[in-house]
Amino acid sequence: DAGVIQSPRHEVTEMGQEVTLRCKPISGHDYLFWYRQTMMRGLELLIYFNNNVPIDDSGMPEDRFSAKMPNASFSTLKIQPSEPRDSAVYFCASSKGQGHTGELFFGEGSRLTVL
Amino acid sequence: AQTVTQSQPEMSVQEAETVTLSCTYDTSENNYYLFWYKQPPSRQMILVIRQEAYKQQNATENRFSVNFQKAAKSFSLKISDSQLGDTAMYFCPPKLVFGKGTKLTVNP
Repeated sequence: DAGVIQSPRHEVTEMGQEVTLRCKPISGHDYLFWYRQTMMRGLELLIYFNNNVPIDDSGMPEDRFSAKMPNASFSTLKIQPSEPRDSAVYFCASSKGQGHTGELFFGEGSRLTVL
Repeated sequence: AQTVTQSQPEMSVQEAETVTLSCTYDTSENNYYLFWYKQPPSRQMILVIRQEAYKQQNATENRFSVNFQKAAKSFSLKISDSQLGDTAMYFCPPKLVFGKGTKLTVNP
């Protein structure tokens, strides 16, 4: 079975540009999570969805960040405009059932570098 | 709010030895699950072991076992017979809070 699929694996962009990260969760999973990982802050939860509806976006750092889940098999995380401090690895994860009781399945991450 | 504390940012152990990673957490919930995840240098996050809070028996998975102390909100991971492939970041999220983790290095 295919796992969580993220694209791109690596993205290098210049400050001010728009960045879009994509995620395809595991089929049948009803929870989708976006995380950001940096050395300074560790792995932080940005937002999560249940049945395509955003449930908690309190981790989204600021208005430059937005996330959508138009259907059960696709989600995007957009940064506009991007800044150097957004450089990090962004992970998407999915789970079946209650997010805090079930195992999270992670993608391989998208490494973003903003110059 | 859920919080997690892994007091050892970095640890190292010799191959074949035993190592214990500590984790304390805070939650207001009564029924919950606890997990240990491993993130090797490849970046792929992998579930190591899971503990259900209402079960008193500590979970065991091959060389990995936990010491779950519910009253103390402590959830440590013991790795026996450490292998080079155990080198990774380890996280123990209560609910969805992962934090900075513990970096474990297994030396030959």
